Order: sequence, then C-alpha cells, then structure tokens
Amino acid sequence: AAGVIQSPRHLIKEKRETATLKCYPIPRHDTVYWYQQGPGQDPQFLISFYEKMQSDKGSIPDRFSAQQFSDYHSELNMSSLELGDSALYFCASSARLLGETQYFGPGTRLLVL
Amino acid sequence: DAKTTQPTSMDCAEGRAANLPCNHSTISGNEYVYWYRQIHSQGPQYIIHGLKNNETNEMASLIITEDRKSSTLILPHATLRDTAVYYCIVRVGRNSNSGYALNFGKGTSLLVTP
Repeated sequence: AAGVIQSPRHLIKEKRETATLKCYPIPRHDTVYWYQQGPGQDPQFLISFYEKMQSDKGSIPDRFSAQQFSDYHSELNMSSLELGDSALYFCASSARLLGETQYFGPGTRLLVL
Repeated sequence: DAKTTQPTSMDCAEGRAANLPCNHSTISGNEYVYWYRQIHSQGPQYIIHGLKNNETNEMASLIITEDRKSSTLILPHATLRDTAVYYCIVRVGRNSNSGYALNFGKGTSLLVTP
C-alpha cells in the first residue's frame, strides 16, 4: 500500500538559512500533520491542514510556515534556521471520512550547522 | 486531550507476550485510545485504537477496562523487531471540533531479548 512520502530524507543547512520540507500524503487522504522530534525527545505537533486550510496549530515557531496545496501535498518552510531546529520532522496524513487515524512518513532529518 | 501514564521501560523475552499498560484516568467519553510505536528514529507506526470495546488486529490486541481509565496493549508473540518505544495516546474521535493532533507522551521503551 502507498505510504506517506517525505523529501528530502536528509538535509544539512547553515544557521540563518532557509529550508523547505515536502510531504506527499497517502492517496485520498485530505489532512496533513507536521511533527518535530528533537534529539532524545518525543514527537511534538507543529501544525495541521485539512482540505488546504490550517486546521490546528501546535508549538510551531513564527519562523516556520506551512501550507497544503491543491494536490494535498504540503510544504513546511523554515527560515532563519537555528541550531536548535536540528531534528527529525515527520509528516502524517489521515482521511476525515476514515476516522482520522494518522499514518506517518519516514521523516526528514534536518541538521543545522 | 486526556493525559496518559506509561511505565518508562519494560523487558520481554522473545516469543512471549508483551503486555504494555497505560493509565488514562481522565479520559472523556468521546476520546479514543490510540497506540503507536517508534522503532529507532523511524516514523511512528500506527498499531491499534479503540473506544471501549477490546480490539484485535494482525499486530496486537487492545484491552480497555470497563471504566475506560486504563488499557493494555498486548503483543502476543514478541519478536526482536518489536523492540521500540510504544506510545499510548488519547485523542478525540470523529466529528470533533477539536484538533486531531497526537500528543505523544514519554512512552514505554520495550526491549525484547533473545
């Protein structure tokens, strides 16, 4: 079965640079979630989108923004990167008509130097 | 969402059943119990969820107490590949005006030994 696709899988950036992470949900899923997992920490919810509209917001820094496009893929844009942004970033998708169970992608590992 | 409490770590011998407990004493009537696991730095993997009835799928069984204040995830025949952090998460169900974001707590680190 098709899974959530995330790209890139690994990313290295310098401080103050920008980064864009992409997420392609499971076909026919209408909701996308972004989570951040710092080293040794548990995943923390950042933001979610349902039918291209922001549906919920967690602990997402103001330097980060995200959107969901007409094909339901989503992008997380991160600006003015800081060392503390080094983390795993997971995307999950769900379908509202199928009970909203979230399925996660493999993640993007971001390293800020 | 209701807060959950899980043991920090557990061991289980390969081939034996792994029983992972979770307390969620403040769970509301419209909240489901979800279980995910994360194998080292991989994306969290959905295991099972339930509202009040016991549930079983190809991966595990979920036993929810009658008062819904606690539950147990059962891996019937643990293998070395089941070594992971297991998260018990309480989340609102469908048609809720609240968000569906998952609040990952500390989870239980399960070590399956040969």
